[in-house]
Amino acid sequence: DAGVTQSPTHLIKTRGQQVTLRCSPKSGHDTVSWYQQALGQGPQFIFQYYEEEERQRGNFPDRFSGHQFPNYSSELNVNALLLGDSALYLCASSPSGRAHYTQYFGPGTRLTVL
Amino acid sequence: AQKVTQAQTEISVVEKEDVTLDCVYETRDTTYYLFWYKQPPSGELVFLIRRNSFDEQNEISGRYSWNFQKSTSSFNFTITASQVVDSAVYFCAPRGTASKLTFGTGTRLQVTL
Repeated sequence: DAGVTQSPTHLIKTRGQQVTLRCSPKSGHDTVSWYQQALGQGPQFIFQYYEEEERQRGNFPDRFSGHQFPNYSSELNVNALLLGDSALYLCASSPSGRAHYTQYFGPGTRLTVL
Repeated sequence: AQKVTQAQTEISVVEKEDVTLDCVYETRDTTYYLFWYKQPPSGELVFLIRRNSFDEQNEISGRYSWNFQKSTSSFNFTITASQVVDSAVYFCAPRGTASKLTFGTGTRLQVTL
């Protein structure tokens, strides 16, 4: 049973560029959440997708956007990259977006903005 | 909204020692859930345990045990006979009726020989 997968593993971009990160949820899961983890900090919630719609959003600017596909996979897009966007981006999946369901995390994508 | 405090930034122990990681949470939700995750150097967050706010039973799983005290808003995690492989950052994360997990800064555990 495959777990949550993310691609790419690492990414280097320059300020002002745009980036797309991808996530495939665990088998049987239909809800995907994205988190940003800066160095030395805990993960911060970006947003959650369920039934191809953004269901909940954290305190992140509109430069951060996402998408969920019919097969439940998801993308995170960040426009106009800033140096402060350098972080580990974690994707988590869970069944049906209910609060009591456990979120399982992928290995993350490490983004470096130069 | 939820808030979590893990006052211990870093703990160092020698292998086979017992160690307790503290977690104090704040929430206005009457129903909530508490999670512990482990993040080894590889970076992936590994789920350890989930607790419901209406279930205050303590739990033991192998060398791991959890002590949930609703009266003091604490959900502490103990590793018995620690091993080098336990070295990681540990996060306690409450979750209310909304779907997001709220993480603190975590506790870095270093187990040495």
